[in-house]
Amino acid sequence: DVKVTQSSRYLVKRTGEKVFLECVQDMDHENMFWYRQDPGLGLRLIYFSYDVKMKEKGDIPEGYSVSREKKERFSLILESASTNQTSMYLCASSKQGPETQYFGPGTRLLVL
Amino acid sequence: GENVEQHPSTLSVQEGDSAVIKCTYSDSASNYFPWYKQELGKGPQLIIDIRSNVGEKKDQRIAVTLNKTAKHFSLHITETQPEDSAVYFCAEKGSGGGNKLTFGTGTQLKVEL
Repeated sequence: DVKVTQSSRYLVKRTGEKVFLECVQDMDHENMFWYRQDPGLGLRLIYFSYDVKMKEKGDIPEGYSVSREKKERFSLILESASTNQTSMYLCASSKQGPETQYFGPGTRLLVL
Repeated sequence: GENVEQHPSTLSVQEGDSAVIKCTYSDSASNYFPWYKQELGKGPQLIIDIRSNVGEKKDQRIAVTLNKTAKHFSLHITETQPEDSAVYFCAEKGSGGGNKLTFGTGTQLKVEL
C-alpha cells in the first residue's frame, strides 16, 4: 500500500522561527511536491522536485525553500515564519510527472 | 499562466440524487485533467482522470466529461451516498507550466440523508 507520511499533523510556531516540515514516501517515486491549502484558494504549489538534489519553483515559492537529499524525503523550510504562512501544508509524490499524485495527510501550521 | 475555475464552491444534494461539479481552464493545450477527493482530516486522493484525446470516462458511479472546444470538464456522481461527502478538486496539466498541476479552488459536497 502506497504511503506518504508527514512529520507532524499539527504545529505551532512563533513569528521569526525557522520551521522544517518533513515528508517521506515509500513508493520509490521520482517526483515530490509541496502544496499549501487555504480556504477558497484550493491547492497551490510551493515547490516540487523531480530528482534528488533537484528543485523547481511552483506558483508561490516566496518565503519557502526545500531540500531533497534523498529520493524518499522532501523537506519544506520556512526560514523565518510569518503569520501569513499559517496554513495546511500537503506533501505529494508521483512516479511519472505530475500525474497520479499520492498525498500525505497534511500538516496544519499555526504561526503566532 | 494556467488558470482553473471551479463551480460551485458548495453543493448539497439528497442521497440518491446526482451531483455535478464543473471546471473551466484557459490553456487550450492542456492535456490531462484529474479529479481528487479530500475527506475530512485526510489528504486528497485521485478518483478519476481524463486525457485530452477522450471525451468521457466512467468508473462505476463517477464519470468525467471533457469539452475541449469550450475548455471545460465536469465530474458527475450518480446515486450519491453519504460517503461521497467530501471536498472535490479538479486540476489540469498545462503545456507550458512545467511538470505540475494547477488545481481548482474546490467544491464542498454534502450528501444529506
